[in-house]
Amino acid sequence: LAKTTQPISMDSYEGQEVNITCSHNNIATNDYITWYQQFPSQGPRFIIQGYKTKVTNEVASLFIPADRKSSTLSLPRVSLSDTAVYYCLVGASEGYQKVTFGTGTKLQVIP
Amino acid sequence: DTGVSQNPRHKITKRGQNVTFRCDPISEHNRLYWYRQTLGQGPEFLTYFQNEAQLEKSRLLSDRFSAERPKGSFSTLEIQRTEQGDSAMYLCASSLEGQETQYFGPGTRLLVL
Repeated sequence: LAKTTQPISMDSYEGQEVNITCSHNNIATNDYITWYQQFPSQGPRFIIQGYKTKVTNEVASLFIPADRKSSTLSLPRVSLSDTAVYYCLVGASEGYQKVTFGTGTKLQVIP
Repeated sequence: DTGVSQNPRHKITKRGQNVTFRCDPISEHNRLYWYRQTLGQGPEFLTYFQNEAQLEKSRLLSDRFSAERPKGSFSTLEIQRTEQGDSAMYLCASSLEGQETQYFGPGTRLLVL
């Protein structure tokens, strides 16, 4: 399983765009990149998944460079409710994922 | 609500007692996972079921832990002779074979006194 490295914490003001970068230097050819969000006392919630280039949904965008050794989760115009821990995971899209969560990035949105 | 549900949401028990948690996955999902999460850490994989078959167990799952999914639907996780170190949030997730995004339940928070 590819190991991921993320910043431990980030602060942002409301209304700003937040970019959280994840490093995964030994990502395998068939690995996808998935981001989860977790609020206190809740289970992680799927945000976005991608393989290469850019993926966008109603919540976030995911940017993946050509070498796929890193990825960036972009949250547009964050609000206080986006305060949470964000996890980057790498794993194959087929077969079950014995996913390994790191410690994640704790995002604090400031009013 | 058709998401993953877990019961109970909270459990306080005394050391040495047995506890059992239940997970009801999303109905069409045939894969089910259990994780444990301690404060400040990400979830740690415990075990995985495909339908009723338990296909992998982490070394974290000591012999005091047992998980079942008898009919390939809901699952139970039992901890025997609980220890204070078992205090954690126990998370269940499910996924559909071929669509490997895991959907998590709200978790069961266990406190062993």
